[in-house]
Parts: sequence; structure tokens; C-alpha cells
Amino acid sequence: EVQLVESGGGLVQPGRSMKLSCAASGFTFSNYGMAWVRQAPTKGLEWVATISYDGSSTYYRDSVKGRFTISRDNAKSTLYLQMNSLRSEDTATYYCTRGGWPYWGQGVMVTVSS
Amino acid sequence: DIQMTQSPSSLSASLGDRVTITCRASQDIGNYLTWFQQKPGKSPRRMIYGATNLEDGVPSRFSGSRSGSDYSLTISSLESEDVADYHCLQSIQYPLTFGSGTKLEIK
Repeated sequence: EVQLVESGGGLVQPGRSMKLSCAASGFTFSNYGMAWVRQAPTKGLEWVATISYDGSSTYYRDSVKGRFTISRDNAKSTLYLQMNSLRSEDTATYYCTRGGWPYWGQGVMVTVSS
Repeated sequence: DIQMTQSPSSLSASLGDRVTITCRASQDIGNYLTWFQQKPGKSPRRMIYGATNLEDGVPSRFSGSRSGSDYSLTISSLESEDVADYHCLQSIQYPLTFGSGTKLEIK
């Protein structure tokens, strides 16, 4: 059974950093690209970043470029999202998802507030 | 950036009704269109991929179609368990973009 389990969310002050993790199991992690998608409260889905299967290519939405870094450790089957210089508009539930979008984690809430 | 214009934003229909939700792409996206269902407090669930392919385990009353730049998700006979938000996603070009979502309710 495929599982994606996010962790690392919580309350953080504006301008500070936070790192999300997504532990994957039930499939060969190193064979698939992975992505982060977020959803602000009562809002729609928003793609954040994608990383290729081997980590050699990364893509970001403009609003997080230079502040967020997506990475992966294939030996640990884990996806990461390092978020720096957080803003109130980054407040959202963050989901990790496998390439092609068939599997999603349960989501982790990030609240940016003073 | 490719804009995905989703309509309607909300929809109230009766049990057994045929329901259609549409996303219009601002540029050619081929068949790189995915539909998701999201129930309250839950993660999105892939329903349709490649514009017309039904995900395994999804009831056959759901279908996806394309007409030019318009992509549609149709429920042939609405059931109570279909109450959810529905989202479309284009994945042909970065930044990937979702439609704004459709909230489907029972009348």
C-alpha cells in the first residue's frame, strides 16, 4: 500500500523558516518525480514545487522561488520542502504527492503568524 | 502562465441529475488534464487523468471529455457520495495550474 506521510508543520512567525518532510512507502520512491501542493484555508489547490526522480531538476511557482527549496533523499524515501522567509500568505495545508498525482499525503498545516 | 478557467464555481443538483463541470485552458494543453475530487477535510483524489482516463476504482458514472480547449468532468447520475469539491489541473507546462474549483452540493 502506498503511503505518503507529511510532518514538520505548525505555527511559525513571519520571516522564519520551517522544513516539511514527506516519508514515502509502498513504491520505489527513486523512480518517481514528486511534488508539493498547498491549499490555503477555504481556497483552491495551488502547485508549489516539483522535483524529478533523481533530484536533478526542480521547478517552483514564482511566489516561492528563492524562498522554498524542494529536495529528496532517495536512500530514505523522503521528500522535503525547506521554507525560508515565510509570509502570512504561505499559510496553508501542504500536501506531498507523487508524479502523475495518483497518491497524496494527508497534508500538514503551516500557519505563518506573529 | 496557462490559465485554467473552471465553471461553475458552485453547483447544486438533485440526486440522479447529470452534472457537468468544465475547465477551459488559455493555451493548448493537449490531454494533460487531470480531475480531482476533494471531500471536506480530506486529501484530493485523482478521478480522471489524461483528460479522459478513469482512475481505477472510480465509479463509471464519472467521465472526462475534451472539446477543443474545454475539458469536462461529467457525473451521469448524481449520488449523495459525490458531494465534494472538484478541481482540474493542467500539467503540460510549468507553472502547473489548477482551476479555481467547483463545490458540488445536493439540492
